[in-house]
Amino acid sequence: AQSVTQLGSHVSVSEGALVLLRCNYSSSVPPYLFWYVQYPNQGLQLLLKYTTGATLVKGINGFEAEFKKSETSFHLTKPSAHMSDAAEYFCAVSFYNKLIFGAGTRLAVHP
Amino acid sequence: DAGVTQSPTHLIKTRGQQVTLRCSPKSGHDTVSWYQQALGQGPQFIFQYYEEEERQRGNFPDRFSGHQFPNYSSELNVNALLLGDSALYLCASSLPSGGSYEQYFGPGTRLTVT
Repeated sequence: AQSVTQLGSHVSVSEGALVLLRCNYSSSVPPYLFWYVQYPNQGLQLLLKYTTGATLVKGINGFEAEFKKSETSFHLTKPSAHMSDAAEYFCAVSFYNKLIFGAGTRLAVHP
Repeated sequence: DAGVTQSPTHLIKTRGQQVTLRCSPKSGHDTVSWYQQALGQGPQFIFQYYEEEERQRGNFPDRFSGHQFPNYSSELNVNALLLGDSALYLCASSLPSGGSYEQYFGPGTRLTVT
């Protein structure tokens, strides 16, 4: 069965600090993995995706994620946090074109 | 390029009533999926439509039904509303054989059941 676990429902960082949001997945087939961001009272915006090929994936707004098959992980990082990064982040795995989401991580950025 | 659009933005209904939510997919997309996002949770898959047929369904009761029109737009219908149906309902569109299964989401419809 496919599932996604996001470690840490809340993460707080200082502006300019490294952002690390953790995601582990379970999949019976080679996974397609995604990170989405949700700002308050809005829908989901795709940050980045992994399908095949290069395991380090770069996305929008300076975010990137690395697919590690041996660790079944797809952690999201950004070298320097900005106030505008404060939002809810969701990791998802695709199973036959159906997205299965984690519970989300709320990122707070402090001055 | 128009993205995914949903209507209405907000909706308030009473228990036992019926509701219809609407979605227009991104230009060029022919597959529509619906998700329910309860407060503080990740989105949960309701069902997916392709070629005007329900292609797959998540763990939701038959009170949740849908429809896809020839222009690929879609409706989500919920009958006999319960308080627990209060949530953000998200529509997403995609290509069925795009390979990457990338889905684009609309802004959602916030349903409140009182």
